[in-house]
Amino acid sequence: EPEVTQTPSHQVTQMGQEVILRCVPISNHLYFYWYRQILGQKVEFLVSFYNNEISEKSEIFDDQFSVERPDGSNFTLKIRSTKLEDSAMYFCASSMSPLYGYTFGSGTRLTVV
Amino acid sequence: AQSVTQLDSQVPVFEEAPVELRCNYSSSVSVYLFWYVQYPNQGLQLLLKYLSGSTLVESINGFEAEFNKSQTSFHLRKPSVHISDTAEYFCAVSGVASYDKVIFGPGTSLSVIP
Repeated sequence: EPEVTQTPSHQVTQMGQEVILRCVPISNHLYFYWYRQILGQKVEFLVSFYNNEISEKSEIFDDQFSVERPDGSNFTLKIRSTKLEDSAMYFCASSMSPLYGYTFGSGTRLTVV
Repeated sequence: AQSVTQLDSQVPVFEEAPVELRCNYSSSVSVYLFWYVQYPNQGLQLLLKYLSGSTLVESINGFEAEFNKSQTSFHLRKPSVHISDTAEYFCAVSGVASYDKVIFGPGTSLSVIP
């Protein structure tokens, strides 16, 4: 069964450093998403991406965040200057259509120290 | 905008007993409804979904959920749980427009006791 692949599975970074979280969505999917889950808390929407542009973003997705689909297969989330409160599990998801629900990756655990 | 409430943050239940995980939503537009499951240290997996048609939907591992529009609910049930059902369960909602994102509830932690 096709799956969404996220790398790395765990990333430790120092506060203020830039991080790039990588995702390879399912190849024929058209909609791409990033969500995050702070430990023990709810899954929060960050951003959706369709037709090579951001279709919606949440209040969390401020100027420190950016997304890119550089080569038609990867979908990346960049955090420009990480803060302690960015520590969370970050999930990438893709979908052919919201009708079918999303396929989530297994997540990247980001720890900011 | 949509929102989701899951009233029970933790539900302990004995093995082979029935379970119901409650979910209520609010929305000013028509919605799609989902249940996702997260096993320990894993990602989110779609368990079942309601899009239209029959209000009772089933998953392959014995869970079912019923869409009740008048009560704005989408409770998840299983008649007999197994140890392997221990996980976090998230109810989720989206509007029916193609660009609508999925909004997750806070989750219910189901613990199955041997």
